Amino acid sequence: DARVTQTPRHKVTEMGQEVTMRCQPILGHNTVFWYRQTMMQGLELLAYFRNRAPLDDSGMPKDRFSAEMPDATLATLKIQPSEPRDSAVYFCASGPWGRNTEAFFGQGTRLTVV
Amino acid sequence: EDQVTQSPEALRLQEGESSSLNCSYTVSGLRGLFWYRQDPGKGPEFLFTLYSAGEEKEKERLKATLTKKESFLHITAPKPEDSATYLCAVQGGSGAGSYQLTFGKGTKLSVIP
Repeated sequence: DARVTQTPRHKVTEMGQEVTMRCQPILGHNTVFWYRQTMMQGLELLAYFRNRAPLDDSGMPKDRFSAEMPDATLATLKIQPSEPRDSAVYFCASGPWGRNTEAFFGQGTRLTVV
Repeated sequence: EDQVTQSPEALRLQEGESSSLNCSYTVSGLRGLFWYRQDPGKGPEFLFTLYSAGEEKEKERLKATLTKKESFLHITAPKPEDSATYLCAVQGGSGAGSYQLTFGKGTKLSVIP
């Protein structure tokens, strides 16, 4: 049963600490998305990659967020330093590259910054 | 900028009471419209993709339709297990930057036994 795997599922951290979230996309999918979900804003796109290259990261606060794909099986989203307003659920999704990319989501990482 | 508006925000139905959810969109060159279901504490689960006006797709009690300005998700004789938040998303534009999905805020459906 192919699925997107995210770790950790939950993270509580203190303001100013570094947070790293990891994602294993579905094998064979070469498009990877990072989304953030809050009650107020809903799902917001932070960044996405095709064949490990960043195509769009305009949704990320560049001064504190960074996203990378060290290899085809791992995508990371890092926040340094974290702030209370970063508290949200962060989702990774992957899809096959093509005319229309259907995205399949992981279970998310619930981040709480205190 | 692509925009998606879903209505209503919340909907309560009696079991067996059919209804429809609305998704209005503005997009530059629609490449696809997507419906997802999200259960509490879970990631969105893919339901349908619609590509062009007039297209319809069905899955169990759900049927999605598409016009040039909106999409409807019709729920026929819903059951309590259909309770979830239903999300609509569009993919539009052209070029390398067009593969992102823009989501609406969802409709929270509650089906009462």
